[in-house]
Amino acid sequence: AQSVTQLDSHVSVSEGTPVLLRCNYSSSYSPSLFWYVQHPNKGLQLLLKYTSAATLVKGINGFEAEFKKSETSFHLTKPSAHMSDAAEYFCVVSGANAGKSTFGDGTTLTVKP
Amino acid sequence: EPEVTQTPSHQVTQMGQEVILRCVPISNHLYFYWYRQILGQKVEFLVSFYNNEISEKSEIFDDQFSVERPDGSNFTLKIRSTKLEDSAMYFCASRSGPPETQYFGPGTRLLVL
Repeated sequence: AQSVTQLDSHVSVSEGTPVLLRCNYSSSYSPSLFWYVQHPNKGLQLLLKYTSAATLVKGINGFEAEFKKSETSFHLTKPSAHMSDAAEYFCVVSGANAGKSTFGDGTTLTVKP
Repeated sequence: EPEVTQTPSHQVTQMGQEVILRCVPISNHLYFYWYRQILGQKVEFLVSFYNNEISEKSEIFDDQFSVERPDGSNFTLKIRSTKLEDSAMYFCASRSGPPETQYFGPGTRLLVL
């Protein structure tokens, strides 16, 4: 069984300040973990992924995430928010075998000017 | 870069009608998935498909739903008799094999009236 908990349903930051979106996971297997972003009325864009290589993962648009097995966390960070980062962010865990993806509830990121 | 495509992008149908949502996965991928996202909610797994058969399905995927890979390139989701609550964005995804990334299509927005 696998599950994902995104700890914040809404995060609001000012432009130029750091972003932290928190995600905890549970998985019976060695998980693959992903962050996707969804802009309004758009599809899902992959930001970054962890698949058992380096625990600090760098993604697109300056985002990165750190896999911490001891804390079962995979938090997403960005040093400096941009207005274009305003979107819905999903943390996703994927397991072994047929490997369906389980999505978190999502975090809405608002960036204030 | 190869990508998953979906057609149509939008579909409006009357309650009780049959709809077929089409997906073209990435050509060398072996695992195929359908997910749905009801407006304002998280993305939910519907079904996974491998080696020409369903490998896993959720409780949402009842007898009204079926999937098919009719010709080695397309992957379809059929809803036999649509209900109002089937209105959602439907995402197709494919992967070459676990633990590789699932690549999502842009989605089909289905509206049942």
